[in-house]
Amino acid sequence: EAGVAQSPRYKIIEKRQSVAFWCNPISGHATLYWYQQILGQGPKLLIQFQNNGVVDDSQLPKDRFSAERLKGVDSTLKIQPAKLEDSAVYLCASMRTDHYEQYFGPGTRLTVT
Amino acid sequence: GNSVTQMEGPVTLSEEAFLTINCTYTATGYPSLFWYVQYPGEGLQLLLKATKADDKGSNKGFEATYRKETTSFHLEKGSVQVSDSAVYFCALKNTGGFKTIFGAGTRLFVKA
Repeated sequence: EAGVAQSPRYKIIEKRQSVAFWCNPISGHATLYWYQQILGQGPKLLIQFQNNGVVDDSQLPKDRFSAERLKGVDSTLKIQPAKLEDSAVYLCASMRTDHYEQYFGPGTRLTVT
Repeated sequence: GNSVTQMEGPVTLSEEAFLTINCTYTATGYPSLFWYVQYPGEGLQLLLKATKADDKGSNKGFEATYRKETTSFHLEKGSVQVSDSAVYFCALKNTGGFKTIFGAGTRLFVKA
């Protein structure tokens, strides 16, 4: 079974630029999460999808961050415009409905200069 | 609200030493508790879990017991190896909820 795929693995941009991250979850996993992991901290949930609907986006900075999962499969997270404090690893995870284990991708390390 | 507190790292041990990483939680109801591990350059992966009080989760020589009376879920291993060097995250998920709350992580270094 293929794992959660993310791209790119690394990205360096200047502040005020835009960036997009892509995630392809494990086949059949209806729940998809995006997390932000700042160096030295645990993952912080940004947004959670159930199929193509948003379940929780309470911690997503909506003035600059957006995410979509149009067909209920892969997902894109966008930052526009980026700030220095957005430098972090962005993790995607997926989970089967009514299960407990999240499967994480390798993450995208974003550096904003 | 729900939260997880784990001991600060880094923790540095010699090979074959005993490991304890402390984790305490605050939650309403009866959450499920987890330990995730993150090896260098990789995503998090589930190490073990416990879903009710007094349950013991175990995997790869690691163990943790769900202690409701002390709201704790400490991770232990009797004899660590160099390959156990990683960051360990304690986490909780409330019954019926989708959201998982993670601790800040504890980095473990094991020296040969």
